[in-house]
Amino acid sequence: SQQGEEDPQALSIQEGENATMNCSYKTSINNLQWYRQNSGRGLVHLILIRSNEREKHSGRLRVTLDTSKKSSSLLITASRAADTASYFCATDTGRRALTFGSGTRLQVQP
Amino acid sequence: NAGVTQTPKFQVLKTGQSMTLQCAQDMNHEYMSWYRQDPGMGLRLIHYSVGAGITDQGEVPNGYNVSRSTTEDFPLRLLSAAPSQTSVYFCASSLDGNQPQHFGDGTRLSIL
Repeated sequence: SQQGEEDPQALSIQEGENATMNCSYKTSINNLQWYRQNSGRGLVHLILIRSNEREKHSGRLRVTLDTSKKSSSLLITASRAADTASYFCATDTGRRALTFGSGTRLQVQP
Repeated sequence: NAGVTQTPKFQVLKTGQSMTLQCAQDMNHEYMSWYRQDPGMGLRLIHYSVGAGITDQGEVPNGYNVSRSTTEDFPLRLLSAAPSQTSVYFCASSLDGNQPQHFGDGTRLSIL
């Protein structure tokens, strides 16, 4: 089973609304990362949050981490049509590779 | 900087054929990895390398071979293609395995 599981699997919102995606994981982590994948392209790194951090911001992105609940959320504020993509969380559990979840497909309607 | 370059972008094979997926990076990254992406499954790690001459297995290594003779290149070989290997393959590189990964745009592989 996946270390990281995103929720919801799919999300459709109107332009200007906020989008929230959640990631739950099973084992303790060193850091958690969020990636975006546009259709037909590779993944692009968005933000990294360390296990001793609770919140991080980057432009319109806000990531929170709750290690007691083993969960993270990605908030995209004031969404745009260009934000339409799949979003993945990935966890660093101290192994030599990240473990990726199965992703949330976000559709932003203009 | 080209980043991570994967070739070919598309490939169709017949069952039993072999082929090599190419991956090259120009960022002098020690760490490189191969993932496959299947619908609803996320990315699954096939093989990875922490430097030239060093490779290790990931989650789904069966049916694939890798080698790392240079820092820049990390080819993935399918020894005898099977329909179950139909997937999109991504190569990634980074300073180490737990830092932000740089991905190529993938190779879409169909096995008939």
